[in-house]
Amino acid sequence: AQSVSQHNHHVILSEAASLELGCNYSYGGTVNLFWYVQYPGQHLQLLLKYFSGDPLVKGIKGFEAEFIKSKFSFNLRKPSVQWSDTAEYFCAVTSDTNAGKSTFGDGTTLTVKP
Amino acid sequence: NAGVMQNPRHLVRRRGQEARLRCSPMKGHSHVYWYRQLPEEGLKFMVYLQKENIIDESGMPKERFSAEFPKEGPSILRIQQVVRGDSAAYFCASSSGAGADLLAGETQYFGPGTRLLVL
Repeated sequence: AQSVSQHNHHVILSEAASLELGCNYSYGGTVNLFWYVQYPGQHLQLLLKYFSGDPLVKGIKGFEAEFIKSKFSFNLRKPSVQWSDTAEYFCAVTSDTNAGKSTFGDGTTLTVKP
Repeated sequence: NAGVMQNPRHLVRRRGQEARLRCSPMKGHSHVYWYRQLPEEGLKFMVYLQKENIIDESGMPKERFSAEFPKEGPSILRIQQVVRGDSAAYFCASSSGAGADLLAGETQYFGPGTRLLVL
């Protein structure tokens, strides 16, 4: 069974600090990887996704993520966070044996102090 | 160009009552997924449906929960005889199915969720 682990449950940063949120998955086959953001009171929005090709993926709002297959990781990064990035971030994976459903991590709550 | 619609957004039920959650997928989407988010946890897959078919219900509790996606109308997640532990946010997602499955490069689009509170 596949699983997704997000290392940090809660991250607190000051504006302009750099961000890196960890995500590791446990599955050795072909995977698709996603990062979603959930702003307070709102629904999930897709930040970025990796299907194939360049392992460095750029998403919306200045976010990027790097797929490192050897480390089973897909960490999310942003060079300089803003107060408006305060939200919950979820990493998710789909695989060739579980097509049709996504497995989510437990989420990381990011609080950016102005 | 409406996105995935869910209603109601908030639902309060007493123990033993029934809860019916509705999901209208994006226009042109024929695949629907239901997820549950318990407090302080990530989303957990419940069921994957296509029109009139349940494709994967491996995440559905064995009792009291059922889902359907009829030929016409929204997908319905039904919870009978609700208990306090059913209190959660229930999210629906849809995809077009054009890529046959998520691994072929499809993206799921999520609705705003229904927050169920069982008193």
